[in-house]
Amino acid sequence: NAGVTQTPKFRVLKTGQSMTLLCAQDMNHEYMYWYRQDPGMGLRLIHYSVGEGTTAKGEVPDGYNVSRLKKQNFLLGLESAAPSQTSVYFCASSLNPPMYEQYFGPGTRLTVT
Amino acid sequence: AQSVSQHNHHVILSEAASLELGCNYSYGGTVNLFWYVQYPGQHLQLLLKYFSGDPLVKGIKGFEAEFIKSKFSFNLRKPSVQWSDTAEYFCAVNAREYGNKLVFGAGTILRVKS
Repeated sequence: NAGVTQTPKFRVLKTGQSMTLLCAQDMNHEYMYWYRQDPGMGLRLIHYSVGEGTTAKGEVPDGYNVSRLKKQNFLLGLESAAPSQTSVYFCASSLNPPMYEQYFGPGTRLTVT
Repeated sequence: AQSVSQHNHHVILSEAASLELGCNYSYGGTVNLFWYVQYPGQHLQLLLKYFSGDPLVKGIKGFEAEFIKSKFSFNLRKPSVQWSDTAEYFCAVNAREYGNKLVFGAGTILRVKS
């Protein structure tokens, strides 16, 4: 049981490049989330999904897109990376909130130059 | 604005000192409260959670937290810290009025000197 996994672990992009971050969970959780973590700001929700084929905007969605084609996978895309998107990105999953905790992946450190 | 506030961003303690990290939130109504910990180089892990019942909640590694509804607070405590408690601690609130999404505080970095 691997829990929540993320790929890649590190990435450096140039401004304007695109990339996709992959999150996978093997706990059969309905809910999945993408957060970004910035110093002094905690974790902020980018997008989330309440089930396969559904996505919704979180607190800071601009510049990102997501897809949940399979229940176990949640993809985060950056179409045209900007330096402001330099951050650590965490994926999480959970059973139906609010009663259940979120399980987090190890994070992806992204630098946009 | 609705928010979760952690008052201390950096805390430095010596081993065996007592710890209290403050957390206040501004949501009314039903809330569920969490403390997560992030050890250096690792992902976030749940320390403890409060949903209902006894407002004093015990978690892993000797941590506890007290929910004081009248003060909108959920402070984290540990009687005697160890070097291995060096980590960043996040308070998080799940509020029905916020669509049951988890809102995190800014985090408190704890460094324990051996």
